[in-house]
Amino acid sequence: EDKVVQSPLSLVVHEGDTVTLNCSYEVTNFRSLLWYKQEKKAPTFLFMLTSSGIEKKSGRLSSILDKKELFSILNITATQTGDSAVYLCAVEGGSNYKLTFGKGTLLTVNP
Amino acid sequence: NAGVTQTPKFQVLKTGQSMTLQCAQDMNHNSMYWYRQDPGMGLRLIYYSASEGTTDKGEVPNGYNVSRLNKREFSLRLESAAPSQTSVYFCASMERDAAGYTFGSGTRLTVV
Repeated sequence: EDKVVQSPLSLVVHEGDTVTLNCSYEVTNFRSLLWYKQEKKAPTFLFMLTSSGIEKKSGRLSSILDKKELFSILNITATQTGDSAVYLCAVEGGSNYKLTFGKGTLLTVNP
Repeated sequence: NAGVTQTPKFQVLKTGQSMTLQCAQDMNHNSMYWYRQDPGMGLRLIYYSASEGTTDKGEVPNGYNVSRLNKREFSLRLESAAPSQTSVYFCASMERDAAGYTFGSGTRLTVV
């Protein structure tokens, strides 16, 4: 059974802090790892990672995958209150492009 | 530019009632999915359809049925609703070369 574990489950920081969110996984026939941001509605796509060691970057967010150690991290620098959300990690494995999601990390950024 | 459309957005059912959640996508995606999201549990796959005419069980299929009516539409049916099915339901679609799922806006279902 595919498994995705995220840590920490929740995190409270002050504006301007840098945060690192973790995602480890066990999956058969790994295809890709995805990060989503979820506010009070549907998840929105952030990154898809398929290759080890290649950093994906979008503004203050970046992510990297380690396929040997089976984990990924999502970094957010200079956090803002608008970054407050649940961050979901998902792994695509096997056939039919099913995604297995972790339970998410609830990030709260205080002014 | 609709993407994935889910209806209804909110629903309250009594135990034992039935209902169908509708989902339609206009992106010509082959694969469609139904997930439920419960507090502290993340998203869990109920059923999916890799292509028109095929459906398969996910992690938590009990109490649900699905129909892939055509390439655009994938519906989820609760035949006899139970309080344990109180949840937020998300439909999603995906095409292999696209980056990840496109999600619908969700249906908040309460079974009393």
